[in-house]
Amino acid sequence: DTGVSQDPRHKITKRGQNVTFRCDPISEHNRLYWYRQTLGQGPEFLTYFQNEAQLEKSRLLSDRFSAERPKGSFSTLEIQRTEQGDSAMYLCASSSLTGDRAYEQYFGPGTRLTVT
Amino acid sequence: AQTVTQSQPEMSVQEAETVTLSCTYDTSESDYYLFWYKQPPSRQMILVIRQEAYKQQNATENRFSVNFQKAAKSFSLKISDSQLGDAAMYFCASSGNTPLVFGKGTRLSVIA
Repeated sequence: DTGVSQDPRHKITKRGQNVTFRCDPISEHNRLYWYRQTLGQGPEFLTYFQNEAQLEKSRLLSDRFSAERPKGSFSTLEIQRTEQGDSAMYLCASSSLTGDRAYEQYFGPGTRLTVT
Repeated sequence: AQTVTQSQPEMSVQEAETVTLSCTYDTSESDYYLFWYKQPPSRQMILVIRQEAYKQQNATENRFSVNFQKAAKSFSLKISDSQLGDAAMYFCASSGNTPLVFGKGTRLSVIA
């Protein structure tokens, strides 16, 4: 079990550019979540997948944000036309629906986005 | 909608002593889970302990235990024999068959 991984760990971009982040969940986990965390705050939910289906999107997720999980394994989160307010840590988590650890979400190290 | 409230922005504890972090929550779901996560500075979120709402027995993981008061919608975390490595932000979170809802966190300092 290698844990949840995210790439890149840091991204600096200029306002108006597009960025894409990747998350690889724990291999047997069928749920994958994206959260955003700003300094001094708890993570806020953005969207989540069960296998390849996107089940829920937060109202925080504007039209500039899109997420995919095409084969039910890794996921990508794209932000188009970035704004300075998008600067945050983007966290990915995964969980299983079965077993003793069902519904426990395990987090990756995050991708820190800075929009200049 | 679920809400989670952590009323202590900061706490401190002497090494080897015991500290309790408070959390209250509100949910309309009948079946839900409660969690405490630890986030050390510049490091990733780590699951500390979980409690299923249908269980009356309080969860325990080594030096970490919870006091779950379902009627009061309270879920506090007790850390016994505090260690320097316990210094971190601690987040309380709840979920049903849904994404996690987090509190704003409590920053715990451990004094040597």
